[in-house]
Amino acid sequence: GAVVSQHPSWVICKSGTSVKIECRSLDFQATTMFWYRQFPKQSLMLMATSNEGSKATYEQGVEKDKFLINHASLTLSTLTVTSAHPEDSSFYICSAPRRGGSYNEQFFGPGTRLTVL
Amino acid sequence: AQTVTQSQPEMSVQEAETVTLSCTYDTSESNYYLFWYKQPPSRQMILVIRQEAYKQQNATENRFSVNFQKAAKSFSLKISDSQLGDTAMYFCALRASNDYKLSFGAGTTVTVRA
Repeated sequence: GAVVSQHPSWVICKSGTSVKIECRSLDFQATTMFWYRQFPKQSLMLMATSNEGSKATYEQGVEKDKFLINHASLTLSTLTVTSAHPEDSSFYICSAPRRGGSYNEQFFGPGTRLTVL
Repeated sequence: AQTVTQSQPEMSVQEAETVTLSCTYDTSESNYYLFWYKQPPSRQMILVIRQEAYKQQNATENRFSVNFQKAAKSFSLKISDSQLGDTAMYFCALRASNDYKLSFGAGTTVTVRA
């Protein structure tokens, strides 16, 4: 099956620094990718839709200047958490739908655990 | 707007027994897909089963089956012959057929006891 990777899988950073998380579709092209945030024992909260070659679409309440998204190629989207603070500590998941087929199955990355000290 | 509701935060089942997870939803779309995803302790999201809303026949994947009641907007998941590896958080999800964006329920944590 199709694979979506994320890097790093776990990152610890100091408050005030920026952290970049990569999401790659390894064997298909993804013009659209999604970024989610998940707190322990809670559901996935959609943060933004990443669009290749254009600006990301952010969900209501998500600070676009805080969470910078760049979708520079058909296989790579990056999420940069700028000036990270402890409240940004969370599990971040990306997903990418593979176009074609009967229903365009969506594939999820393994997630990135961010801890801000 | 789409909403997905899972009213069971936690469920426990004995190994080899059957457990049913409930899910209700609301959408104004006429064509849509429904999904059950599993998130084990590794936190990797895994597709368990999907259902096209225009199909009346309930989807089945090995020990997993759904009861899709379109008029009632209900989409429950039955896990038969539960195995220890089924221990995970299960999410019901919905998306319109002309969109890629998924709406997730709050999730149900299933624990299979040996």
